[in-house]
Amino acid sequence: DTGVSQNPRHKITKRGQNVTFRCDPISEHNRLYWYRQTLGQGPEFLTYFQNEAQLEKSRLLSDRFSAERPKGSFSTLEIQRTEQGDSAMYLCASAGTGAYEQYFGPGTRLTVT
Amino acid sequence: GQNIDQPTEMTATEGAIVQINCTYQTSGFNGLFWYQQHAGEAPTFLSYNVLDGLEEKGRFSSFLSRSKGYSYLLLKELQMKDSASYLCAVIANDYKLSFGAGTTVTVRA
Repeated sequence: DTGVSQNPRHKITKRGQNVTFRCDPISEHNRLYWYRQTLGQGPEFLTYFQNEAQLEKSRLLSDRFSAERPKGSFSTLEIQRTEQGDSAMYLCASAGTGAYEQYFGPGTRLTVT
Repeated sequence: GQNIDQPTEMTATEGAIVQINCTYQTSGFNGLFWYQQHAGEAPTFLSYNVLDGLEEKGRFSSFLSRSKGYSYLLLKELQMKDSASYLCAVIANDYKLSFGAGTTVTVRA
């Protein structure tokens, strides 16, 4: 399968713990996006990378959130000191050079108890 | 910023036609997408419109009017498997997708 993959698919954690998610984009896609989706809402933009450079971060992304794409391939999203309000589906998407269409991964569902 | 509106829910009968409307206000418009999302799954691409007019792709068609800030997704010959959320999204010069809240379509037998 050469689509976007995300790990883990589900994560249950206790409030205050740190969690890290991984996204592997479609190979050779230079742009990688992170979105968050809560029940009954559309995905909300969090941040995106062009190659290894993080070009934009949403104001939704508090200082507890950090994302990296160290070699311009896979990316990680870390949430420190998780809160119950962080419970959501975290979606990753990638796009090729100059292309507008974004391809989504299956998502990581985070539950903070 | 973007402001995207679409109905919350629609119900239709198997074999029927349903039209999902989407209105948007945006700066730097570079196209409008429709995605389908089944419960618990990732959004999957349905269509992309950047010019005015109708794009037909099998049972699904998408229409765009840039001057009116309006699009619709037309689903024909509805099947039970079409029960899903349909997301309207706009992309601007910044390459970011801004999504509406989604329209949940329920297909009844």
